[in-house]
Amino acid sequence: AQSVTQPDIHITVSEGASLELRCNYSYGATPYLFWYVQSPGQGLQLLLKYFSGDTLVQGIKGFEAEFKRSQSSFNLRKPSVHWSDAAEYFCAVGDRNTGNQFYFGTGTSLTVIP
Amino acid sequence: DTGVSQDPRHKITKRGQNVTFRCDPISEHNRLYWYRQTLGQGPEFLTYFQNEAQLEKSRLLSDRFSAERPKGSFSTLEIQRTEQGDSAMYLCASSLDGGGPETQYFGPGTRLLVL
Repeated sequence: AQSVTQPDIHITVSEGASLELRCNYSYGATPYLFWYVQSPGQGLQLLLKYFSGDTLVQGIKGFEAEFKRSQSSFNLRKPSVHWSDAAEYFCAVGDRNTGNQFYFGTGTSLTVIP
Repeated sequence: DTGVSQDPRHKITKRGQNVTFRCDPISEHNRLYWYRQTLGQGPEFLTYFQNEAQLEKSRLLSDRFSAERPKGSFSTLEIQRTEQGDSAMYLCASSLDGGGPETQYFGPGTRLLVL
């Protein structure tokens, strides 16, 4: 069965520092991969997605992610974090063969220190 | 494009009561999904619709849960005889089945508290 692991439950970074959030997936075929961000009490906003092609994908708000098939990873990065980036980040894998339901990780909570 | 909307945003109910949530997807989207998210967890799939047909249901969707999408537009999720364990955020998402990979767009969620 598909699964997503986000090893870091909580990360704290200083404003202006770089950020990397880890995501590992388990899936038999080429996955569809997504990163979403959730602010407190809100729904999920799509940051970026990977379907195929170039393994480095750009998203909104200056985020990017790199798909590494050999490591089954899809890590999210940002070169310089802003205080407004503080939120919960979820990695998800989609599978068309199972009705396109998404499988989410447990999330990484990001705190940004001024 | 007004996005996915959900109503109500918050619901407090007493154990044993029935509750109903509504989701309005992005207008041209033919797929609609319900997820449940508990504190500290990622969303978990409950069920999804292709137009008005409910095509898949998770084991999480007990007999007390029922979802409908009668005209292939908005959807409702009803929970009968609520239990404290039903307290969660219920998220709706929609997508367009274009024959390839799809992106799901999420609504703001309905937060349910069962006392």
